[in-house]
Amino acid sequence: AQSVTQPDIHITVSEGASLELRCNYSYGATPYLFWYVQSPGQGLQLLLKYFSGDTLVQGIKGFEAEFKRSQSSFNLRKPSVHWSDAAEYFCGVYYGQNFVFGPGTRLSVLP
Amino acid sequence: NAGVTQTPKFQVLKTGQSMTLQCAQDMNHNSMYWYRQDPGMGLRLIYYSASEGTTDKGEVPNGYNVSRLNKREFSLRLESAAPSQTSVYFCASRGYSNQPQHFGDGTRLSIL
Repeated sequence: AQSVTQPDIHITVSEGASLELRCNYSYGATPYLFWYVQSPGQGLQLLLKYFSGDTLVQGIKGFEAEFKRSQSSFNLRKPSVHWSDAAEYFCGVYYGQNFVFGPGTRLSVLP
Repeated sequence: NAGVTQTPKFQVLKTGQSMTLQCAQDMNHNSMYWYRQDPGMGLRLIYYSASEGTTDKGEVPNGYNVSRLNKREFSLRLESAAPSQTSVYFCASRGYSNQPQHFGDGTRLSIL
């Protein structure tokens, strides 16, 4: 069965530091991959998506993600974190009619 | 620019009561979804509707029913609420194949 893992439940970084959130998926065919962000009390907002082509994908709010087929990974990165980036981040893979989401990584940002 | 609208935003029920959560989208999307979100478990699919007139079970359908009333609306019903159904419920919609989902702001449901 398709699955998505996010190894880090909670990450804390200082404002201005770089960030990498990990995501690994299990899916046989070419995956369609997504990252969503959820601020407290809000729904999920799409950060970026990968369908095909360039394996480095740019998203909103200065985020990017790199698809690595050999590692079954789709890690999310940001060079300099802002306090407003504190939120929960979900990686997901699309297959058939459905999406499978990872359990999420909660990001805290220290001033 | 409404997108996906869920009502109500908050609700408290007693065990055994029934309730319908409403979801409407104004993006002319074909597919609609209901998820529940619980701490540490991410989002789990309850039911989805690939198109008007069709519904299918997701990962955790027990205790729920759905109705795709028309292309815009997709409701989720709890016939006899149980404390285990305390959760945050999200509705989402999607347009063409391989496009991302658009989410509502959620309904926070507590069952006592």
